[in-house]
Amino acid sequence: KAGVTQTPRYLIKTRGQQVTLSCSPISGHRSVSWYQQTPGQGLQFLFEYFSETQRNKGNFPGRFSGRQFSNSRSEMNVSTLELGDSALYLCASRGSLESYEQYFGPGTRLTVT
Amino acid sequence: SQQGEEDPQALSIQEGENATMNCSYKTSINNLQWYRQNSGRGLVHLILIRSNEREKHSGRLRVTLDTSKKSSSLLITASRAADTASYFCAYLANQAGTALIFGKGTTLSVSS
Repeated sequence: KAGVTQTPRYLIKTRGQQVTLSCSPISGHRSVSWYQQTPGQGLQFLFEYFSETQRNKGNFPGRFSGRQFSNSRSEMNVSTLELGDSALYLCASRGSLESYEQYFGPGTRLTVT
Repeated sequence: SQQGEEDPQALSIQEGENATMNCSYKTSINNLQWYRQNSGRGLVHLILIRSNEREKHSGRLRVTLDTSKKSSSLLITASRAADTASYFCAYLANQAGTALIFGKGTTLSVSS
């Protein structure tokens, strides 16, 4: 099976712009989670989607949003980018809600200038 | 914050030596997982230990869990240069639903 894929892998944006990141889970996986990783805060949970429904949301401002499509692919959007949004954004999928192990993609490195 | 703490933050050893990393957490848990991350890439799941287990082995990995002390340790035996990476503990806190809470990580450097 192909692993979790994320596009793009690298992105440079300017403050105030918006950005959309994409994640394709492992085939058959219906749960997709997003995490932000920064040197200062470490890995922080953003949100999880299952069957197109957001099941859980982390402590991030409303500028961070996401969605999941019927094919389980997920997108994450950040509006009005700030310098502090520079981070590695990781997507993870799992096979079912009863499965604890998460499979991570390679991440999207976002740099905001 | 529910974020876990890991100790040490950085560890440098020679090939063949054992590496031990510790993780402390703050809430009751169903299970605790360990992940590895190579140089800013995606995380790879290493091992999961359930709250009713005290020790678990997988190849060169040995994980212990002490729920009374809210702590876990990861031991990598006979380290190799390829083990150089950051290691994170993560847990699914009961109160946090489905979100994984990660520790700050231990950066392991194994030199040949």
